[in-house]
Amino acid sequence: EVQLVQSGEEVRKPGESLKISCKGSAYSFTNNWIGWVRQMPGKGLEWMGIIFPVDSDTRYSPSFQGHVTISADKSINTAYLQWTGLRASDTAIYYCARGVNRNSQFDSWGLGTLVTVSS
Amino acid sequence: DIVMTQTPLSSPVTLGQPASFSCRSSQSLVHSDGSTYLSWLQQRPGQPPRLLIYKISSRFSGVPARFTGSGAGTDFTLKISRVEAEDVGVYYCMQTTQFPYTFGQGTKLEIK
Repeated sequence: EVQLVQSGEEVRKPGESLKISCKGSAYSFTNNWIGWVRQMPGKGLEWMGIIFPVDSDTRYSPSFQGHVTISADKSINTAYLQWTGLRASDTAIYYCARGVNRNSQFDSWGLGTLVTVSS
Repeated sequence: DIVMTQTPLSSPVTLGQPASFSCRSSQSLVHSDGSTYLSWLQQRPGQPPRLLIYKISSRFSGVPARFTGSGAGTDFTLKISRVEAEDVGVYYCMQTTQFPYTFGQGTKLEIK
């Protein structure tokens, strides 16, 4: 069974850095896309970006470009989402999800990582 | 960016009755390869999203047959033939035809 296991809840102060992870198993991690989705408290889903681990081809939503970095380490089947200067407005649940092909649906989802940014 | 607009925002339905959700895109979702990359996801309270339908009308593995997707171009519909209690949650349409991918704002299904 395809699984995406995300790292645990994080609490940070504004301006701090953070890197959360998403580890895939039971499928070819290298040859599938991994996307990141934000869900702010009580709000809908927002697509942040996507990476193809085999060559690290990465695409960002303009809404998130420059504020986050998506990366992957194919040797350990893990994708990452990182910030270098967190804001209170980054408080949200972050989901990773698998896309089999570049334009395909997201068919498997992680449970989400809750990030709280507060002074 | 392609804007996805869902209606209604909330849908109170009686158990056993049908439900219908609409999703409209600001431009055609037909890809140059001929496919239309429109999917529907369900998010139950406190859970991550779950894929229901992809490429307009293909039901994902394990999804009950009471869920049906239809549409073309810019107008799409998700129907539930007979609503069950476990269907409560928010339903999102999503396009993966063009970067950046985008979601609709969601339709909340509630039981009357």
